[in-house]
Amino acid sequence: DTGVSQDPRHKITKRGQNVTFRCDPISEHNRLYWYRQTLGQGPEFLTYFQNEAQLEKSRLLSDRFSAERPKGSFSTLEIQRTEQGDSAMYLCASSLALGSRNEKLFFGSGTQLSVL
Amino acid sequence: AQSVTQLDSHVSVSEGTPVLLRCNYSSSYSPSLFWYVQHPNKGLQLLLKYTSAATLVKGINGFEAEFKKSETSFHLTKPSAHMSDAAEYFCVVSDEDSWGKLQFGAGTQVVVTP
Repeated sequence: DTGVSQDPRHKITKRGQNVTFRCDPISEHNRLYWYRQTLGQGPEFLTYFQNEAQLEKSRLLSDRFSAERPKGSFSTLEIQRTEQGDSAMYLCASSLALGSRNEKLFFGSGTQLSVL
Repeated sequence: AQSVTQLDSHVSVSEGTPVLLRCNYSSSYSPSLFWYVQHPNKGLQLLLKYTSAATLVKGINGFEAEFKKSETSFHLTKPSAHMSDAAEYFCVVSDEDSWGKLQFGAGTQVVVTP
């Protein structure tokens, strides 16, 4: 079990640029979640996948955000035309969906995005 | 809709003294409740969870929490704080439609002084 990996750890970009983050879940996990955490707040749900299907997107996920999980393995989160308000820690989590309350999420260390 | 409120944004304790982190929840159904800890530059780690079994839940590192339906509370306690307990703690409730879709509280920053 190598845990959930996220890349890069830090990203600094200029307003208006596009950025892409990657998440590698624990290998046998079929669910993958993206959360966003701004300074001084708890993480907020953005979207999640079961295998390659994106099952739900939060209202926080504007049209500038897109997430993919091709082949049901790793996932990417792209932000187009970044804004300063996008500055946050982007967290990925994975789980083995059991269809019950026993689902347990494993979180990665996150990608810290700073938009200048 | 479900939500959690963490009543203290910062808690400072002396090493060796008890820790109490307070959390109230709001839910229209029987919730699943969690406490997560976040150390600097590390991922969120699950301390413990309540899923409608025993109301007193024991977690890792000596932490425990008690689910009190009448008070809609899920407070986290530890009898004796250690320096390594300094971190941010989140009370969390899960969505009934997807147990992995979590609603986090704003967090409580714990400082432990020697």
